[in-house]
Amino acid sequence: DQQVKQNSPSLSVQEGRISILNCDYTNSMFDYFLWYKKYPAEGPTFLISISSIKDKNEDGRFTVFLNKSAKHLSLHIVPSQPGDSAVYFCAASVGNLGGGNKLTFGTGTQLKVEL
Amino acid sequence: AAGVIQSPRHLIKEKRETATLKCYPIPRHDTVYWYQQGPGQDPQFLISFYEKMQSDKGSIPDRFSAQQFSDYHSELNMSSLELGDSALYFCASRNARDSTNSPLHFGNGTRLTVT
Repeated sequence: DQQVKQNSPSLSVQEGRISILNCDYTNSMFDYFLWYKKYPAEGPTFLISISSIKDKNEDGRFTVFLNKSAKHLSLHIVPSQPGDSAVYFCAASVGNLGGGNKLTFGTGTQLKVEL
Repeated sequence: AAGVIQSPRHLIKEKRETATLKCYPIPRHDTVYWYQQGPGQDPQFLISFYEKMQSDKGSIPDRFSAQQFSDYHSELNMSSLELGDSALYFCASRNARDSTNSPLHFGNGTRLTVT
C-alpha cells in the first residue's frame, strides 16, 4: 500500500526554467512533509519541509506547496540548475518526528536539468 | 560538519549467512532510523531507536534485529540472508531536542549483495 506517491518517475527541464515535482498521499493522518534529494551512491539529503498548518514554505530557490484538501504537495525549483539533477523523494510523517516517529517515502522522481 | 557514518559501504554475503551493518549518528543525535531501499524502489522504514529504546517498527523481517548502544551508535543484524535482502540500507539520525520537526539526516548507505 503506497501511501505516498510520486506519479512521474522522471522529469526533464531546461536550465533556468522552473521544475515542478508533484507528490500525492493517501493517509489523511500525515501532517508533516519533507522533500529529499538523492544523488547516486549517496544518502538522501534534506531540502525543505512543511507542516500541515501551512500551505507554503520557501527556502531560496525551493518552494513547497501543500494542498491538504487534495492531499497533494509540490516542490518548485526556480531557476533550475544542472546541479539539481538528482532523484527527489517526497516523505511524510504522522505527527512530528519526535521520539523516532518514522518517515514514509514516495517512489521518487528523477529530475534532469539540461543545458 | 560531521555526517552519519555507515560501515561497511559494500558487503557481499552468501545465502543463509549473517551480516552486521553499523551506523554512527551525527554527534549529539539521539534518534536512529534504518531504511531499506531495493532497486528502483523507495526507502522502506525498518526500525527506529530513541535514547537506546526501540521507538517505531516497520516492515523489518523477524530474521533482522537491531539495537542502539550507549554511545548512540546502532547495529542492524541480519541472519539467514536471502537473495531478496540485497538492497541499499540507509541509516539516518536526528536530535529530538533540536525541535519536534528537525529532519532526518541520512548516511550514504551500505550496499548489501546476497549471492
